Amino acid sequence: AQRVTQPEKLLSVFKGAPVELKCNYSYSGSPELFWYVQYSRQRLQLLLRHISRESIKGFTADLNKGETSFHLKKPFAQEEDSAMYYCALSNQGGKLIFGQGTELSVKP
Amino acid sequence: GAVVSQHPSRVICKSGTSVKIECRSLDFQATTMFWYRQFPKQSLMLMATSNEGSKATYEQGVEKDKFLINHASLTLSTLTVTSAHPEDSSFYICSAADRGRYEQYFGPGTRLTVT
Repeated sequence: AQRVTQPEKLLSVFKGAPVELKCNYSYSGSPELFWYVQYSRQRLQLLLRHISRESIKGFTADLNKGETSFHLKKPFAQEEDSAMYYCALSNQGGKLIFGQGTELSVKP
Repeated sequence: GAVVSQHPSRVICKSGTSVKIECRSLDFQATTMFWYRQFPKQSLMLMATSNEGSKATYEQGVEKDKFLINHASLTLSTLTVTSAHPEDSSFYICSAADRGRYEQYFGPGTRLTVT
C-alpha cells in the first residue's frame, strides 16, 4: 500500500532552534517525494523535492530508502517558518499522496 | 510562475442544491487537474484526477455521480457537488499539472458550507 506518515501533528520550537519534521513512506516502486508548505491563509506550495537535492529557505530533506524516510530539516528555525508542512509521495500516475501534515510553530 | 485560480473562494448553499466550482490554469496548459478535499488541520484527500477531453478517474470511495467533474479545455476543470448535504461541507482544492511536467500547482481552495 502507498502511504505517507507524518507522526507529529504539532511541532513547537523556539526561534533559532533546529527543526526536524518527520516523514516516512510506504511505496513498492521508486518514489518521488516532496515537501509542501501551507502558510496561514495561503495556498499549498511546493517547498522542495528529493530529486533536485536543493535547499529552499534553509530547509533540506534527504531520501533514505533504507529507512523509507524523507525528513525535513532546518538548522535554525525562524518565526516565518511557522506553517503546515505536508510530505507527499508521487506515484507513476502523477497522483500525490499526502501525509497528515505537521503544524510547525516557531516561537520568539 | 504557474498560477491556478478557483472560483468561488467561498460558497454557502442550502441542502439539496448543486454547487459548481471552477479551477483554471491562468498561464499554462494543464493536461491533468486534480481535485482534493481538505478537512480543518488535516491532510488533502485526493478525490479525482481529471484529464482534458476524457472522463475523470475517481478515487475509491468517492461517488462520481455526486461529484461531477468536467475538464472541457486545457485551462478549465469544474467540480459540481450535486444534491449537497451538510456533510459535504469542506474545503475543496484543485491542482493543475503543466503539460510535460510533473509538478502540481495548487489553487487557493473553495470553502463550501451546506446549510
